[in-house]
Amino acid sequence: AQKITQTQPGMFVQEKEAVTLDCTYDTSDPSYGLFWYKQPSSGEMIFLIYQGSYDQQNATEGRYSLNFQKARKSANLVISASQLGDSAMYFCAMREGTPLSGTGGYNKLIFGAGTRLAVHP
Amino acid sequence: GAGVSQSPSNKVTEKGKDVELRCDPISGHTALYWYRQSLGQGLEFLIYFQGNSAPDKSGLPSDRFSAERTGGSVSTLTIQRTQQEDSAVYLCASNPDRTNTGELFFGEGSRLTVL
Repeated sequence: AQKITQTQPGMFVQEKEAVTLDCTYDTSDPSYGLFWYKQPSSGEMIFLIYQGSYDQQNATEGRYSLNFQKARKSANLVISASQLGDSAMYFCAMREGTPLSGTGGYNKLIFGAGTRLAVHP
Repeated sequence: GAGVSQSPSNKVTEKGKDVELRCDPISGHTALYWYRQSLGQGLEFLIYFQGNSAPDKSGLPSDRFSAERTGGSVSTLTIQRTQQEDSAVYLCASNPDRTNTGELFFGEGSRLTVL
């Protein structure tokens, strides 16, 4: 079974509008972390936002927010006020278990297939 | 530089040749990961290093793939007898010893094309 599912291969949004990118996950571990990364055409992976499974509030980072619905196992990324520079691939990822510290932190991330976002002027 | 550095950025090789891809993680990061990204796909985990040892090699697709890490720093991913299906971007990532989130810091990748 897929651990991370992104059902939208491509999305379009008008500049200055908000857009939601969907992500569902599957794990039996009560402790996990969810990440969103942005990959522009240059290829670098840019970390956007993180949500821990025990976090009480939805994560927010500037124009990015994570709509975390634990019971539904979804972690959708919301981008407000889209900009042309937001055009990129967006990947949802999950870490199962807690981030280990003191011994180097094994933090293997499992990635979804990604969603390509195009922002139109 | 301050980020994860990978070389070469682009490599074109002929089928059957061996290739080596290098990763220089962020200074002080003890954990290092290799991922593979085929065209238009997500990232596929290959191998994880803690220091110089590799406790998780579960993602290496075949015995033609190997990796090592020396001095707890630089890592080399070697692909022997390359095949066309090995064509992909190989991404290296690292994270520090102490982390609240487990965020991985990625390099810009090495694009491998096997003709």
